[in-house]
Amino acid sequence: KAGVTQTPRYLIKTRGQQVTLSCSPISGHRSVSWYQQTPGQGLQFLFEYFSETQRNKGNFPGRFSGRQFSNSRSEMNVSTLELGDSALYLCASSLAGRGYTFGSGTRLTVV
Amino acid sequence: AQTVTQSQPEMSVQEAETVTLSCTYDTSENNYYLFWYKQPPSRQMILVIRQEAYKQQNATENRFSVNFQKAAKSFSLKISDSQLGDTAMYFCAFIHSNAGGTSYGKLTFGQGTILTVHP
Repeated sequence: KAGVTQTPRYLIKTRGQQVTLSCSPISGHRSVSWYQQTPGQGLQFLFEYFSETQRNKGNFPGRFSGRQFSNSRSEMNVSTLELGDSALYLCASSLAGRGYTFGSGTRLTVV
Repeated sequence: AQTVTQSQPEMSVQEAETVTLSCTYDTSENNYYLFWYKQPPSRQMILVIRQEAYKQQNATENRFSVNFQKAAKSFSLKISDSQLGDTAMYFCAFIHSNAGGTSYGKLTFGQGTILTVHP
């Protein structure tokens, strides 16, 4: 059974650009959550999608957005990138909310 | 809002010995799940063990076990017979659930404990 797949694994962008990250959950999982991990702030919740609807949202500016498709794959988008957006972005999928399986993450560097 | 605190930024242990990582949390809710995740240098977050708050029995997974003290809001992880492959950052995490056992909201993580196992 394939795990959670995140692409790309590494990304380097310039300030002001935008970026789109992708997450394919485990087959059958309808919930996808996104987290930002930085050395200073630790792991912070971005948002959760369930059946194409955003169910929960963390305290991030509107530059951070996401969506989920009918096949449960999810994308997150960050517009007008800032240096502080450099982080590891982790995606997690869940079947019935009893366990969360994470992907390997996308390492975003903003220069 | 719930909080999770891991008071040990770093721990080290000799191979084959036992180590305990501490975690405390704060919530006013009665239904929730607690997790320990392991994040090795490969950065994949791996679920180590899960505890449902309504279960009094401590969860165990092979060499990993927890000491869940609900009244004290404490959830420590014991690793027995430590192995070199246990070297990683360990995160304690919390999420609310409803009476039916389905979680909701967000996973709240502690700051993590870096565990190093020495040969």
